[in-house]
Amino acid sequence: QVQLRESGPRLVKSSETLSLVCTVSGNSISTSVHYWAWIRQPPGKGLEWIGNVHYTGDTYYNPSLERRVSISVDTLKNHFSLKLTSVTAADTAVYYCARASSIYYGDILSNWFDPWGQGTLVTVSS
Amino acid sequence: NFMLTQPHSVSESPGKTVTISCTRSSGSIASSFVQWYQQRPGSSPTTLIYEDNQRSSGVPDRFSGSLDSSSNSASLTISGLKTEDEAVYYCQSYDSAWVFGGGTKLTVL
Repeated sequence: QVQLRESGPRLVKSSETLSLVCTVSGNSISTSVHYWAWIRQPPGKGLEWIGNVHYTGDTYYNPSLERRVSISVDTLKNHFSLKLTSVTAADTAVYYCARASSIYYGDILSNWFDPWGQGTLVTVSS
Repeated sequence: NFMLTQPHSVSESPGKTVTISCTRSSGSIASSFVQWYQQRPGSSPTTLIYEDNQRSSGVPDRFSGSLDSSSNSASLTISGLKTEDEAVYYCQSYDSAWVFGGGTKLTVL
């Protein structure tokens, strides 16, 4: 059974860099049919896709965050990482990692997220 | 890119049927698959429906997904409502970026 677990500092100072790691168990990260994703949820608000990475290193970012986001993959450690620079209070959120399908049916991408990690609350302090 | 618009909240009685809509702002709703997730308080989202109408493993057949091209929307229908269905439901789709709807809080009272 695939499991994902987020880890990293829970408190980050404003203007600094948020760094999280998602460790994958029960599934090799080096699979062509999946992306690996970061999604966040500010307290009391909805879900926001941050970005995806493929084991080949291909990345896809939310245009609204693209200038500050970097997602990378470490196939040897079977984990992937998120870095978000120049954080502000608006970046306070529960950060989830998830597996995403990357299968195409013709030219239509199967684009769902499953499973999700338990999430980790990261607070940006001034 | 496009947006997915959901009603902020819906409510219905136990045993009844409720439908939650998800309207795509631009581009065809049928041009990319739509997913539905359930999020109970304090928990991670879980997949209910993927690829428009496929139930995820273990999801009861009380949950179903569909598309309506005339309104450019997707719908999640929950029949035989139970109090345990109280949660926030999110739709999600893709068009060069992965997009979530704003979420709909379902109250079963």
